[in-house]
Amino acid sequence: DIVMTQSPDSLAVSLGERATVNCKSSQSVLYSSNKKNYLAWYQQKPGQPPKLLIYWASARASGVPDRFSGSGSGTDFTLTISSLQAEDVAVYYCQQYYSRPPTFGQGTKLEIK
Amino acid sequence: EVQLVESGGGLVQPGRSLRLSCTTSGFTFGDHALSWFRQAPGKGLECLGFIRSKIYGGTPEYAASVKDRFTISRDDSRSIAYLQMNSLKTEDTAVYYCVRVSSQATDLFDSWGQGTLVTVS
Repeated sequence: DIVMTQSPDSLAVSLGERATVNCKSSQSVLYSSNKKNYLAWYQQKPGQPPKLLIYWASARASGVPDRFSGSGSGTDFTLTISSLQAEDVAVYYCQQYYSRPPTFGQGTKLEIK
Repeated sequence: EVQLVESGGGLVQPGRSLRLSCTTSGFTFGDHALSWFRQAPGKGLECLGFIRSKIYGGTPEYAASVKDRFTISRDDSRSIAYLQMNSLKTEDTAVYYCVRVSSQATDLFDSWGQGTLVTVS
């Protein structure tokens, strides 16, 4: 199984500041034939189910604000929130869908400083 | 609007069975695989398995941790998916989510239900 490791485990950022979450996979999730990274990011607010934010490492899901962006390739990926809003308090998970079983990172808890 | 609504959770004794339902609307049910996840209190996400769309055989696959105890099925005529859980253990206590698999990629999960709590005690 591909192991996904996120850093940090928790993060406190001031409102309006940039927040960055990192995700590393134990093997590449870049599919050479289509040059796509099989990497997604999810947001889970307290008491709610996860919500898909980013797929193909950098494509925003429908309705996701453009302050959320994803980057990276191969084994190293980043989720960036350009200007943190109060409603962004959540746990963020990365997930690979390159190979079965799909695996998730342990989560990064984002709070307001 | 895509909706997935889980039902059937509750308190159950160890060793007993429970069947969860996932009632869906707002999309063409038959075009999508469906997956079940769970999340134990304060823990991360665990994929329990999925069931393919009928176009791809409608067959299920399971995580090793539940393979011999859990069964996923679907009723395309009613747009409902099911999770049958047998021989329940205290460690099965979790919120259970029904999840739609994206049409863009296998194992990309684009819509989640609100979840139903199963407590085994």
